[in-house]
Amino acid sequence: DQQVKQNSPSLSVQEGRISILNCDYTNSMFDYFLWYKKYPAEGPTFLISISSIKDKNEDGRFTVFLNKSAKHLSLHIVPSQPGDSAVYFCAASYNFNKFYFGSGTKLNVKP
Amino acid sequence: GAGVSQSPSNKVTEKGKDVELRCDPISGHTALYWYRQSLGQGLEFLIYFQGNSAPDKSGLPSDRFSAERTGGSVSTLTIQRTQQEDSAVYLCASSLQTGPNEKLFFGSGTQLSVL
Repeated sequence: DQQVKQNSPSLSVQEGRISILNCDYTNSMFDYFLWYKKYPAEGPTFLISISSIKDKNEDGRFTVFLNKSAKHLSLHIVPSQPGDSAVYFCAASYNFNKFYFGSGTKLNVKP
Repeated sequence: GAGVSQSPSNKVTEKGKDVELRCDPISGHTALYWYRQSLGQGLEFLIYFQGNSAPDKSGLPSDRFSAERTGGSVSTLTIQRTQQEDSAVYLCASSLQTGPNEKLFFGSGTQLSVL
């Protein structure tokens, strides 16, 4: 039973435009969410996080939005750059124990 | 080193053999996780160690899989009698477990190929 879902396996965006990656979760107890980025042959690296007490967190070109009532979060990348091309994973946890990851979305930013 | 270290980076084995995968977490990190990523799949949780508590083994796919963490630091994931479906990238992560702003730091993984 997958508690964190990323329904889009891939996304293609033109350089300079906005990339929007989506993530849904089923467990209403989750109170902390993260996004990770993964390049081939490397481990995932942390991008940005958000606590359930917030609905938005911004860090440079990256913004994460959380809609608790819809159990949905999204990652916005503006403007998108070719170096952003990677697989993006969302993750969720309850009380900072045991992180559940989605299946990932492969982002391709075209020059 | 400063990051999570995993060894070997690549392992090719024959079906039926046992393998051991090693993870050196970041010094001082109390939590350690094992995940695996099969081809085209997401990150599948395997096992979670937190301090001196009993590990959460709920993600281990069969009794052929086991893991231990010695002295609260290095961890070894053992797969007995490997099968072809065990082929995947095995990722280890560690964290400080301090609450808000918590995040996992991943190693580069071990690519396991079972022939």
